Amino acid sequence: QVQLVQSGPEVKKPGASVKVSCKASGYTLSGYGISWVRQAPGQGLEWMGWISGYNGNTKYAQKLQGRVTMTTDTSTSTGYMELRSLRSDDTAVYYCARVHYSTTWYIFDYWGQGTLVTVSS
Amino acid sequence: DIQLTQSPSFLSASIGDRVTITCRASQGISSYLAWYQQKPGKAPNLLIYAASTLQSGVPSRFSGSGSGTEFTLTISSLQPEDFATYYCQQLTSYPFTFGPGTKVDIK
Repeated sequence: QVQLVQSGPEVKKPGASVKVSCKASGYTLSGYGISWVRQAPGQGLEWMGWISGYNGNTKYAQKLQGRVTMTTDTSTSTGYMELRSLRSDDTAVYYCARVHYSTTWYIFDYWGQGTLVTVSS
Repeated sequence: DIQLTQSPSFLSASIGDRVTITCRASQGISSYLAWYQQKPGKAPNLLIYAASTLQSGVPSRFSGSGSGTEFTLTISSLQPEDFATYYCQQLTSYPFTFGPGTKVDIK
């Protein structure tokens, strides 16, 4: 069955970087994309961007452009999200989601369990 | 960016009630809308995609409708496991924004 298993919680200082992993199983990574969504404590969901598992093409939310990089490693069926120059308002639970897509539609059908990233001095 | 609003923000209902949540988009998004359920401490769970297509494994008491700028999620008979927060998401243009959520609580 399809599963996305994320790496464990992280505590980082302001200005540092964090890299969260998302290991996929039960399907072929190259046939789908991975999107990242975050949720600050007590807040709603924020889309961060996504990467095609087929060709590595990415699209990031404008507000994170320049600070975020999404990658995949098809040999290990793992997606990664790196966020740099961390600030306190980056404290959130970060989710990966499988993206089933075509040229015109996208479906976020399976989600990882979430990774809490805390940014604190 | 396309903005999504949801109403109500909070809803108090009883077991067996019919519940309707509305999602409005700031511009037309055709049928490129999804609905998710999220319980505390858990990841979102896809309920509906393409505005009205029920995701595999989701109970048939959930249904979605609408196109353009106005959409609804309906739970025909609220069950105890349905108390959660519900989010809509548009998937027609970047960024793929989410609505602010509707919390469904027990009356």
